[in-house]
Amino acid sequence: DSGVTQTPKHLITATGQRVTLRCSPRSGDLSVYWYQQSLDQGLQFLIQYYNGEERAKGNILERFSAQQFPDLHSELNLSSLELGDSALYFCASSEVESSYEQYFGPGTRLTVT
Amino acid sequence: GENVEQHPSTLSVQEGDSAVIKCTYSDSASNYFPWYKQELGKRPQLIIDIRSNVGEKKDQRIAVTLNKTAKHFSLHITETQPEDSAVYFCAATQPSGYSTLTFGKGTMLLVSP
Repeated sequence: DSGVTQTPKHLITATGQRVTLRCSPRSGDLSVYWYQQSLDQGLQFLIQYYNGEERAKGNILERFSAQQFPDLHSELNLSSLELGDSALYFCASSEVESSYEQYFGPGTRLTVT
Repeated sequence: GENVEQHPSTLSVQEGDSAVIKCTYSDSASNYFPWYKQELGKRPQLIIDIRSNVGEKKDQRIAVTLNKTAKHFSLHITETQPEDSAVYFCAATQPSGYSTLTFGKGTMLLVSP
């Protein structure tokens, strides 16, 4: 167990809908990262927050957004969902601002039908 | 940006053999190189990492070597066991709060009893 928690574990929804994925980092970690993992893709970095502020952006679609709250938990919002958004979504956390020593949560499996 | 190439994409070995997975990176400023193990449907687990100020690091049956001049690093697993079967990802990043982990595409390691 990495200490990073994610909810829900599974999510099934229809195209066009909006969902929110939640992540709680390890105690003491200030950085949260979101990744998307599809069947034919590796780990695609989406976005990073450090102590409440956006730090880095990767291949995140405009339909997706995220935020980190004062208690350091983070939420990833996915809207106008398409079939191709079906994937495993992982969050990771690290103690520092840089990308060192990231520990991953168990992931949320999103299925869009 | 950084580009990480990983080879081979699949690797089959007999129990007790050694396994080697190689990665190359493009950005000479990268200085942190972690390796993650991901079992089917599970989270990526950080198994070992190396920073650019050392050339080799060992942890029991696993070791990582780094050649900064050639910009490549490798994961070595000795005395492989069936439970080592998983997908292994290498990654690289720079020492900046605005940098991100760039992952290789992964290597599926199959250890046959």
